[in-house]
Amino acid sequence: NAGVIQTPRHKVTGKGQEATLWCEPISGHSAVFWYRQTIVQGLEFLTYFRNQAPIDDSGMPKERFSAQMPNQSHSTLKIQSTQPQDSAVYLCASSPRDWGTNTGQLYFGEGSKLTVL
Amino acid sequence: QQKVQQSPESLTVSEGAMASLNCTFSDGTSNNFRWYRQHSAKGLEVLVSIFSDGEKEEGRFTAHLNRANLHVSLHIREPQPSDSAVYLCAVSIPSGGSNYKLTFGKGTLLTVTP
Repeated sequence: NAGVIQTPRHKVTGKGQEATLWCEPISGHSAVFWYRQTIVQGLEFLTYFRNQAPIDDSGMPKERFSAQMPNQSHSTLKIQSTQPQDSAVYLCASSPRDWGTNTGQLYFGEGSKLTVL
Repeated sequence: QQKVQQSPESLTVSEGAMASLNCTFSDGTSNNFRWYRQHSAKGLEVLVSIFSDGEKEEGRFTAHLNRANLHVSLHIREPQPSDSAVYLCAVSIPSGGSNYKLTFGKGTLLTVTP
């Protein structure tokens, strides 16, 4: 079991450029999450997919952030016109069942550290 | 909106001494509590999950939940230097079908000295 794989591990972009982050969930997992982690805010929920369908994107900044899950083996988080305040570690997580049950477990990747200069 | 606060912000203990971490939450309907550990520049590792009042043990890690007091704690027995990491408390609520959404505390940085 390779775990949740996130690429790139580190990305540096200039202000105004686009950044795309990739996540490969654990094979067979039906739920995929994106979280953002900063020193000031801690871990914040961004968005949730279940069986590839978007379920909740209430944590996503609406104008520049978008997430997709085109197939069960990967999800992408795209940030357009990046700003310095977007600098954070973006964590992807997957779960082997319909997350929300008491027995469901969430497995996190090691994160993609985005730095916007 | 759920608020999750952890204390202390940092804690240093000697190898072998008990380490105790605290987490308070604001929503009394919360029913799903998890403790995660995060080593530097790594992902989150789940340590113990607890869903009802009382105690839940997973190896050297024991969680205590008291929902009436809006409090959940983590106790680490015989900590080792390799346990030095940030410990995160995560809570979810069942209402509105959004019990999948975890709210995290900002963490406790634990340092275990030899």
